[in-house]
Amino acid sequence: DAKTTQPPSMDCAEGRAANLPCNHSTISGNEYVYWYRQIHSQGPQYIIHGLKNNETNEMASLIITEDRKSSTLILPHATLRDTAVYYCIVTYNFNKFYFGSGTKLNVKP
Amino acid sequence: DTEVTQTPKHLVMGMTNKKSLKCEQHMGHRAMYWYKQKAKKPPELMFVYSYEKLSINESVPSRFSPECPNSSLLNLHLHALQPEDSALYLCASRQTGRSSYEQYFGPGTRLTVT
Repeated sequence: DAKTTQPPSMDCAEGRAANLPCNHSTISGNEYVYWYRQIHSQGPQYIIHGLKNNETNEMASLIITEDRKSSTLILPHATLRDTAVYYCIVTYNFNKFYFGSGTKLNVKP
Repeated sequence: DTEVTQTPKHLVMGMTNKKSLKCEQHMGHRAMYWYKQKAKKPPELMFVYSYEKLSINESVPSRFSPECPNSSLLNLHLHALQPEDSALYLCASRQTGRSSYEQYFGPGTRLTVT
């Protein structure tokens, strides 16, 4: 499975868009990009996933670059409850999720 | 019902004890997982069950023994653990049949080995 690189932490003002980057420069053609988040001491929560096209759901948008070497998770209007560690995972084997170190998003009032 | 439940929430055990962690889901998922998460670290995959058969063991020590007695239930039997095994143990499940289904995680069992 390809490895991912994420910034260790980011700050975002409440009500503003949070843009979380993920680099996956060694991704292969059949690997999906998944995003999960983990609020303190809870189980990880699925956010969104994609293969090639940009995706949007009620929680977030996922923008994948044309060469698929990087992606950005967008939370359009961050709230204090979005403070969490966000994990970007790249995999073709959906039984093998290897979590990287993630990005700690701090949403501030 | 999109919930994975785990019991107990907290467990303290001595190094000579035998205990079990339980995970349950009623979503009809046929893939179930155990992860271990140390403080301030990401979750690490331990075991994967697919259709009640163990399909992946990530070189986990034998003091951890998984069991999947039916399609809704996953157990993790613990014996002769070490203090360094203290961690949050997470269970997850996933629908099979289409490759890109997401995993649903339970809230975890926080284990302390004394």
